[in-house]
This record gives sequence, structure tokens and C-alpha cells, in this order.
Amino acid sequence: DTAVSQTPKYLVTQMGNDKSIKCEQNLGHDTMYWYKQDSKKFLKIMFSYNNKELIINETVPNRFSPKSPDKAHLNLHINSLELGDSAVYFCASSRTSGRAGTGELFFGEGSRLTVL
Amino acid sequence: SQQGEEDPQALSIQEGENATMNCSYKTSINNLQWYRQNSGRGLVHLILIRSNEREKHSGRLRVTLDTSKKSSSLLITASRAADTASYFCATDIAGGGNKLTFGTGTQLKVEL
Repeated sequence: DTAVSQTPKYLVTQMGNDKSIKCEQNLGHDTMYWYKQDSKKFLKIMFSYNNKELIINETVPNRFSPKSPDKAHLNLHINSLELGDSAVYFCASSRTSGRAGTGELFFGEGSRLTVL
Repeated sequence: SQQGEEDPQALSIQEGENATMNCSYKTSINNLQWYRQNSGRGLVHLILIRSNEREKHSGRLRVTLDTSKKSSSLLITASRAADTASYFCATDIAGGGNKLTFGTGTQLKVEL
């Protein structure tokens, strides 16, 4: 039973197209994230939601729009795709941060986006 | 440069040897975490060490944290071929808004 699942695993598309990636977690976590991993394996946070509310937006172009219909789902929609958007996008979830800080993140398997 | 920089970038050892990876960071943290990523897969949490802790063990893993030097190390003892993966440190920056900032990663290859 997959804890954090994201679909699709692979996306190949043309520049200028719009695409979506879906993410669902069955861990009962309140916080969900999108991270982008580039070709050098550098991971950068894009967005974070807590109980459906956006709490982190790391200066991501507004072509990227996250949507959280409920706390178990966080989808990512990308408009007008560019070559530089090619990357692996990871969804993750965690319990709400407490006094000890951000806890363990549970990651999905990633969605590899290739823009031609 | 990055909040978390790891050293070395790549490490190749023989099975049975120990592997040590280092992570340096710049600002005060709540905690520091280590993750493993197998090729083509998602990241998997290995261990979390709080800012008031100095050392933590989990199986063949040993993590140390030196907040005065802003550095951490991950030691994998008696390595196995299955330990071949990329290893990332991630810092929860104090006052940084409940997010993890990942380091640049160390690619470990364990050869038979």
C-alpha cells in the first residue's frame, strides 16, 4: 500500500503545452510538498501546503500552480511548459511541524518530466 | 552556495568497508536529517538528529552533529552493495518556515 503516490511517473511533452501531476498520501499527514530535482540531483522545494493552505511558495514562476482539494491530495499544474522545466518532480508529506521542527518527509517515487 | 554542501560528491569503496559522508551548513537549525535515494526512486528518510543531540545510531548508521562547526557526518559501517545510492543531508533551518533544505548529495558506490 503506497504511502505517497504520484502520477504519472513519466511525462514527455512539447514546449508550450500544459501538464498536471497528481499526488496523494494515505499517511494522514497535514503537510504536503512539491520538490524539483534537476539533472545534477539538486533538490529544491517549490511549494508546501498545510491542511489545504499554501504556506511556502519558493519564488516559483506563476506558470506553476499547485492545488490541494483536501489534505491528502496536492496536485501540480504547469502551464506553457519550457525546456528548463525538464526535471523530476517529487511530492512529499509530513506531520505538521512541532516544537522540534520539521519532521521526517515521506517522498513519492517522482514524476520525470521531459519537455521537447 | 547551498545551505547544505556535502563532501565528497562521489565515493567508491569495497564491500565491507566503512563510508563516511560529511555535510556542512550555514545557519542555525532545528534538526538535520539524512536521506537515501536509489537510482530512479524517491528519497527515503534514514535518520533525524536534533540540534541538541551530538550523536545518533540506527543499525549500521551513525550520525554526528557539531553545531559549533555547523557540520554533520553520516557513517555507514560494513557497507554492502545494496548501500549504493545517493545520500543527502537536509536541514530544518531555525525560523526557516517548516521546510527542509537539501544538500548537494554524495553518490556512494559500493563494489563487490
